[in-house]
Amino acid sequence: GQQVMQIPQYQHVQEGEDFTTYCNSSTTLSNIQWYKQRPGGHPVFLIQLVKSGEVKKQKRLTFQFGEAKKNSSLHITATQTTDVGTYFCAGRDFGNEKLTFGTGTRLTIIP
Amino acid sequence: DAEITQSPRHKITETGRQVTLACHQTWNHNNMFWYRQDLGHGLRLIHYSYGVQDTNKGEVSDGYSVSRSNTEDLPLTLESAASSQTSVYFCASSTGDHGEQYFGPGTRLTVT
Repeated sequence: GQQVMQIPQYQHVQEGEDFTTYCNSSTTLSNIQWYKQRPGGHPVFLIQLVKSGEVKKQKRLTFQFGEAKKNSSLHITATQTTDVGTYFCAGRDFGNEKLTFGTGTRLTIIP
Repeated sequence: DAEITQSPRHKITETGRQVTLACHQTWNHNNMFWYRQDLGHGLRLIHYSYGVQDTNKGEVSDGYSVSRSNTEDLPLTLESAASSQTSVYFCASSTGDHGEQYFGPGTRLTVT
């Protein structure tokens, strides 16, 4: 079955530093979504990427979808304490509604 | 406002007991999903439903069952709780147009 790997598992950064998490799928994806989960909270949708090579930005967050639609990345510029949480990618197969989630990257910020 | 709720929020049960976790959504979404979240494993799909009377097994379905008798509810039943089923359980729903999933607040289940 489809597998989605995400690295790193943990990332500790000084406030103001940049942060990147990477996601790789074992199969070509229809689309990929990113979610954020605050400590003690539930996953919340951030964005969906559909097209090969697509790049989307949300303020300090930049999301990329690979040309082969098998990998993706999330980059945060100049991290803030509000960025703390676990970031998950979730891949969707063609013709399917269900998502396969990556293992997540837990981001902690050192003030 | 539309929402998705889970109950109970916390549950402690004994090995071998049957446990049912409730999930209720007022989004009128066709698709509903149950996940478990454990350290190092992310979110793993247990069961899912694309509509009333439809249920499907996910990647970790052994020991769990669901039923979908109406659009709003997808209860998750642990037939005979095991310590390996201690976890945080999330319910989610989506519209069915390959869009985002909306997650409930989660249920923390401890099996002793």
